[in-house]
Amino acid sequence: DIQMTQSPSSLSASVGDRVTITCQASQGINNYLNWYQQKPDKAPKLLIYDTSNLETGVPSRFSGSGSGTDFTFTISSLQPEDIATYYCQQYDSLPYTFGQGTKLEIK
Amino acid sequence: EVQLVESGGGLVQPGGSLRLSCAATGFTFSSYRMHWVRQGPGEGLVWVSRINSDGSSINYADSVKGRFTISRDNAKNTLYLLMNSLRVEDTAVYYCARERMGPTDAFDIWGQGTMVTVSS
Repeated sequence: DIQMTQSPSSLSASVGDRVTITCQASQGINNYLNWYQQKPDKAPKLLIYDTSNLETGVPSRFSGSGSGTDFTFTISSLQPEDIATYYCQQYDSLPYTFGQGTKLEIK
Repeated sequence: EVQLVESGGGLVQPGGSLRLSCAATGFTFSSYRMHWVRQGPGEGLVWVSRINSDGSSINYADSVKGRFTISRDNAKNTLYLLMNSLRVEDTAVYYCARERMGPTDAFDIWGQGTMVTVSS
């Protein structure tokens, strides 16, 4: 199975800050990488697909980049409603695997 | 409105069985590959199974292979997960999810989840 390692596991930032989360795959995944946001007691929500494509309706402050085994998720200006846990997910090969999550809090 | 609604969760003893359902509305269910993803208490997301649009291609995570069966009824717009030989470690919220149309395997619509508790 492909292991997905996110860092940091938790992050505290202020409103307006630029926030970056990284996701490293245990092998190359051909940019087959998605990012999800999960708020407490809610289902996950797709934010970014195929490394860098913004899902319809998702604010442009969210972005993704990367290639090979190393990927980055960025919030350009943190908003209070962005408090959530973020997950990366690879779909290069079965089983699909997720990172362990990054819990984002407001400082 | 595009929506997925799960049902069928509950408390079951180890070794028991449950069947989860996921009712789809607001889109052409028969055109989409569908998935089950679970999340243990306080834990991350784990992919469980997928089924293609007509049910002819199915895959499972190793942890559930031989115990869980995914199926669908396109006439009823419903996805199912039959879970047999349940273990304590199967305790989780189970989400059904739609795979986004196109070449990407991204889950663009999720249900609200249904809780399965395996305990004696």
